[in-house]
Amino acid sequence: GAGVSQSPRYKVTKRGQDVALRCDPISGHVSLYWYRQALGQGPEFLTYFNYEAQQDKSGLPNDRFSAERPEGSISTLTIQRTEQRDSAMYRCASSLVGGLAGNYEQYFGPGTRLTVT
Amino acid sequence: GQQVMQIPQYQHVQEGEDFTTYCNSSTTLSNIQWYKQRPGGHPVFLIQLVKSGEVKKQKRLTFQFGEAKKNSSLHITATQTTDVGTYFCAGPKGAGGTSYGKLTFGQGTILTVHP
Repeated sequence: GAGVSQSPRYKVTKRGQDVALRCDPISGHVSLYWYRQALGQGPEFLTYFNYEAQQDKSGLPNDRFSAERPEGSISTLTIQRTEQRDSAMYRCASSLVGGLAGNYEQYFGPGTRLTVT
Repeated sequence: GQQVMQIPQYQHVQEGEDFTTYCNSSTTLSNIQWYKQRPGGHPVFLIQLVKSGEVKKQKRLTFQFGEAKKNSSLHITATQTTDVGTYFCAGPKGAGGTSYGKLTFGQGTILTVHP
């Protein structure tokens, strides 16, 4: 079966441009998570969804970052007016279910390497 | 806020030696997960521990959850070159370490195995 896919795998953009990063989770997975991972560090939580509902966005660094999952499947993380400090690996993960039901194993995608020049 | 600390940051071993990484949380956790990330790869789930004092084994890997549910360890017996990678622990990121569907990851332990 297919795993979590993300696109693009690499994105180079100029400072001030908007970018949209896509995540296609494993079919049937209720929960979808976005993380940011700096080199040599663990993934840092950004936001997560159960179905189409955004459950928590407390990890989003500022209001230039937003995410949506309108039909409860594919999700898009959008960064507006990108800055050099936004350069990082952005990872998506999905799980059968998360939240109060218990933390189930998360399946990570290959990530999008974002470089802001 | 909740912090999950891992030590050591790096570990270099000769093939056949044992390896242990430790994870400590500032708060009690309802559960803890372990992930492995190969160089250039993405984190891959290894195991979840839920019960106080729980010990689980996967072949040469032994995972332990502390009695107070604030620390955990991963021990690899007789390392092989295939064990190379970064090992992360992760705990639920919520008040009191409860399950809110989001994880706080430790900074990881990078394991290098020399043949």
